[in-house]
Amino acid sequence: SSELTQDPAVSVALGQTVRITCQGDSLRHYSASWFQQKPGQAPLLVIYGKNNRPSGIPDRFSGSTSGNRGSLTITGAQAEDEADYYCNSRDTSGNPLFGGGTRLTVL
Amino acid sequence: QITLKESGPTLVKPTQTLTLTCTFSGFSLNTSGVGVGWIRQPPGKALEWLALIYWDDDKRYRPSLKSRLTIAKDTSKNQVVLKMTNVDPVDTATYYCAFDHWSGYGYYFMYWGQGTLVNVSS
Repeated sequence: SSELTQDPAVSVALGQTVRITCQGDSLRHYSASWFQQKPGQAPLLVIYGKNNRPSGIPDRFSGSTSGNRGSLTITGAQAEDEADYYCNSRDTSGNPLFGGGTRLTVL
Repeated sequence: QITLKESGPTLVKPTQTLTLTCTFSGFSLNTSGVGVGWIRQPPGKALEWLALIYWDDDKRYRPSLKSRLTIAKDTSKNQVVLKMTNVDPVDTATYYCAFDHWSGYGYYFMYWGQGTLVNVSS
């Protein structure tokens, strides 16, 4: 399949935990990576592989992939986490796929 | 430190060919497990992958745009060039290039350029 599906919007109270999900057949063979994008900025990789964080990404960000579903969890969401989040995977040919994005609002 | 920067025209007329250049530093496209990709984002919309080129000159294209895209690398200049023919106003977007790297689990877009906004209009 060539699609990754995300909920358009999610909200979380400050300091609470939120999970952002992504669904697609490609996730059965390729773990999801996750990008954070704030207005006017380029996407920033926050999770890749099984559950890896690039240098400088806070440990409140974690990820998992099971079956055809990937998840990004923010434990103790902060105001600065308000952003658009995109999941990313690869199809069986190795071509990248992006989800439609989830807008996270921190209340 | 890995950096990438996109350059190209800000305004292109419909039916023309768009040429974008990604100039990078901090890595070599001669290194195994390394690639550079192009991704675009229309205003207010989602990310859309366009093309990829790897260290071994393996090239990948978005199937729906394959006939219009050409990607090439110049390792001596640390540049990757993307050409898109017959542009249309729907191609108006911010175009990003990104460093694609094999991490042991798969390839991931580890670093991105700042993006360049291209407007297609007559």
